[in-house]
Amino acid sequence: KQEVTQIPAALSVPEGENLVLNCSFTDSAIYNLQWFRQDPGKGLTSLLLIQSSQREQTSGRLNASLDKSSGRSTLYIAASQPGDSATYLCAAPNFGNEKLTFGTGTRLTIIP
Amino acid sequence: GAVVSQHPSWVICKSGTSVKIECRSLDFQATTMFWYRQFPKQSLMLMATSNEGSKATYEQGVEKDKFLINHASLTLSTLTVTSAHPEDSSFYICSARVSGGRYEQYFGPGTRLTVT
Repeated sequence: KQEVTQIPAALSVPEGENLVLNCSFTDSAIYNLQWFRQDPGKGLTSLLLIQSSQREQTSGRLNASLDKSSGRSTLYIAASQPGDSATYLCAAPNFGNEKLTFGTGTRLTIIP
Repeated sequence: GAVVSQHPSWVICKSGTSVKIECRSLDFQATTMFWYRQFPKQSLMLMATSNEGSKATYEQGVEKDKFLINHASLTLSTLTVTSAHPEDSSFYICSARVSGGRYEQYFGPGTRLTVT
């Protein structure tokens, strides 16, 4: 059974800093890996999807990497802004099973 | 593109009543939809997988007679919480997978259910 873990559980950084969120998974047989953002009381916003054949994806100030061999993905946020404050979730489906397993999330606070 | 809506966005009901939540894919067809629930400060837990025209597949521990799922068309799935109790109060989120797509799921905005 796939298990997805995110470290740290919470992170506070001053505005303008670059930061890295970590996601690890136990079963490397994944189709892809998705990163989401969730604001309090809201649904999920998809940020980036990395296919299993890719090593990274970029969107604006966000860069996500995937290393299947080590079971890790990272989300890099450049030049953080207060509007980046949210909970960030990673999730992966498995081969032969399209169910998503979600990580425990990292609650990010950007301090103005 | 790939927008998923949910209705209602929030609902309050009395214990013992039933509540229906709709999940719609607005600009694409979804043969598969998923229902999740999320308790405060916890991650999403998959409840069931809904396939158009067939019975839903429930995760272990989820009561199928309590959480009725109907996927009647390629753009609509419904979740009915029957005989709701306060412990059913939660945030319910649906997602939809594009037919033939790259296993990417698109999520709805969620429905906050409060049972009094």
